[in-house]
Amino acid sequence: AQSVSQHNHHVILSEAASLELGCNYSYGGTVNLFWYVQYPGQHLQLLLKYFSGDPLVKGIKGFEAEFIKSKFSFNLRKPSVQWSDTAEYFCAFTGTASKLTFGTGTRLQVTL
Amino acid sequence: EAGVAQSPRYKIIEKRQSVAFWCNPISGHATLYWYQQILGQGPKLLIQFQNNGVVDDSQLPKDRFSAERLKGVDSTLKIQPAKLEDSAVYLCASSQRGPTDTQYFGPGTRLTVL
Repeated sequence: AQSVSQHNHHVILSEAASLELGCNYSYGGTVNLFWYVQYPGQHLQLLLKYFSGDPLVKGIKGFEAEFIKSKFSFNLRKPSVQWSDTAEYFCAFTGTASKLTFGTGTRLQVTL
Repeated sequence: EAGVAQSPRYKIIEKRQSVAFWCNPISGHATLYWYQQILGQGPKLLIQFQNNGVVDDSQLPKDRFSAERLKGVDSTLKIQPAKLEDSAVYLCASSQRGPTDTQYFGPGTRLTVL
């Protein structure tokens, strides 16, 4: 069965700190990878996605993620977080089953 | 462009009662999804429609859950009878084509079963 692991459940950072959220997927075939974000009181929305090509993907608001196939990973990064990045972040992927499978999410809290 | 609409936003019922949720996807989106998100977990796909047809309902508890998509547009999800473990947020999403397209999510319906 396909699955996603997000190892950090709750991360607290000060503004301007660097961010890296881990994501590992379990699937043997070709994958499409996503990061979704849910800001407080808002809908779940797409942050960035990887289908093919350059494994370093850039998304909105200065976020980026790197697909490392050998490690089955798709970690999310941002060099300098802002208070407005406080949100819950979900890693997700589709395999050949074409079903979007989500991780359990990482709650990011950025303090001033 | 109008987003995905869902109603109601909140619902409290007692166990063994029935409940229904409604979703109106983004205009022109062929695929509609219902997800269940239990507190502390990520969204789990319950059912996926492509136009009128069901593409995937492998994780839908069919003994109590049912869903339909009317004329390939609006959709309803019903639970009958509800159990305590059905307490969750029910999310509706839509995409232009399939699940590899960006999925646009609605605000969700928070269901509490007492």
